[in-house]
Amino acid sequence: NAGVMQNPRHLVRRRGQEARLRCSPMKGHSHVYWYRQLPEEGLKFMVYLQKENIIDESGMPKERFSAEFPKEGPSILRIQQVVRGDSAAYFCASSPASGTSNEKLFFGSGTQLSVL
Amino acid sequence: AQKITQTQPGMFVQEKEAVTLDCTYDTSDQSYGLFWYKQPSSGEMIFLIYQGSYDEQNATEGRYSLNFQKARKSANLVISASQLGDSAMYFCAMREGLGGSSYKLIFGSGTRLLVRP
Repeated sequence: NAGVMQNPRHLVRRRGQEARLRCSPMKGHSHVYWYRQLPEEGLKFMVYLQKENIIDESGMPKERFSAEFPKEGPSILRIQQVVRGDSAAYFCASSPASGTSNEKLFFGSGTQLSVL
Repeated sequence: AQKITQTQPGMFVQEKEAVTLDCTYDTSDQSYGLFWYKQPSSGEMIFLIYQGSYDEQNATEGRYSLNFQKARKSANLVISASQLGDSAMYFCAMREGLGGSSYKLIFGSGTRLLVRP
């Protein structure tokens, strides 16, 4: 039973380029979450998606960042015109349902984005 | 306002000894959940243990136990019989509003644990 799969594991971009990060949730999971971790900090919530719907994007910058979770295929976090401050580890997590008190949030291994 | 506070940026422990990692939280919700995650140098986030606000007993998972003191709003992680492989960053996290649909976890800044042989 594969876990949450993220790719690529490492991504290098030059300033101004676009970064696309992919996340395939665990089998049977329909909820996806993206978190960002700056160096030496804890994870910060960015966005929560269900299939074809953005439920909560309160943690996502208003400009240049977007996320989707289509009916078919992985969830995509897209960062346009990257800047050095976007360099961070981006984690995806998934859960099977909502409202259950002790549901674990399963994280992928993360994508380390480096902007040159 | 900071909702999860981990006051120990770094900790040392001798192999085979027990260690307590501190975590305090702030919430006005009656229903919430507290999590601990381990992040080794390879970077992945590994779930360790969970405590619900209504759970009567402290959670335990193998060598991990959570010392939950609700009145003090603390949820300290206790690792017994430390092993070299326990060297990692440890994050405390909270989920508010368990009846809701969001798993928006709020993380602390982490504690780096180093186990000495």
